[in-house]
Amino acid sequence: AQTVTQSQPEMSVQEAETVTLSCTYDTSENNYYLFWYKQPPSRQMILVIRQEAYKQQNATENRFSVNFQKAAKSFSLKISDSQLGDTAMYFCAFMKQNTDKLIFGTGTRLQVFP
Amino acid sequence: NAGVMQNPRHLVRRRGQEARLRCSPMKGHSHVYWYRQLPEEGLKFMVYLQKENIIDESGMPKERFSAEFPKEGPSILRIQQVVRGDSAAYFCASSPVRVEQYFGPGTRLTVL
Repeated sequence: AQTVTQSQPEMSVQEAETVTLSCTYDTSENNYYLFWYKQPPSRQMILVIRQEAYKQQNATENRFSVNFQKAAKSFSLKISDSQLGDTAMYFCAFMKQNTDKLIFGTGTRLQVFP
Repeated sequence: NAGVMQNPRHLVRRRGQEARLRCSPMKGHSHVYWYRQLPEEGLKFMVYLQKENIIDESGMPKERFSAEFPKEGPSILRIQQVVRGDSAAYFCASSPVRVEQYFGPGTRLTVL
């Protein structure tokens, strides 16, 4: 069975600084997808970024980028130029190809300070 | 294009009552997923449906829980004879072609 581990329950960063959130996963599959979701205090789940395992190039979306290390089964999220609106819970998630089932980690609570 | 709609946003039930949670997917999306989030935990997959079909219900408790996605109307997650342990946030997501799932705002169920 696949598992997703987020070892940092809480992180904090000052506005405009850079922060990296860690995620590791365990799978024997070769084809899969990885995601980062953001859950602000409103509790709405918002897709931040997505990575296909077959792609070697790391995904980027504006200030958000990932460091995908397939051999190490690591998928960290880097947030550059942090903003107050980035304050939220961040969940890493795994999906095996052709299953449609997202498997989530336990989340990292990120606080951005002015 | 409206996002995924869920109602009610908050639902309070007494032990033994029934809870019905509704989810209207985004326009053009034919895949619907339900997840449950217990306090201080990540989301856990419950069920995946397409119109009139349950595709994967491996995360659904065997008793008291059921889900449907009829040809017309929203998807319904039904919990019969609720217990305190059912208190959680229930999220619905939809997808047009699988893989990317867009989430609704969730329904927070409180069982007294």
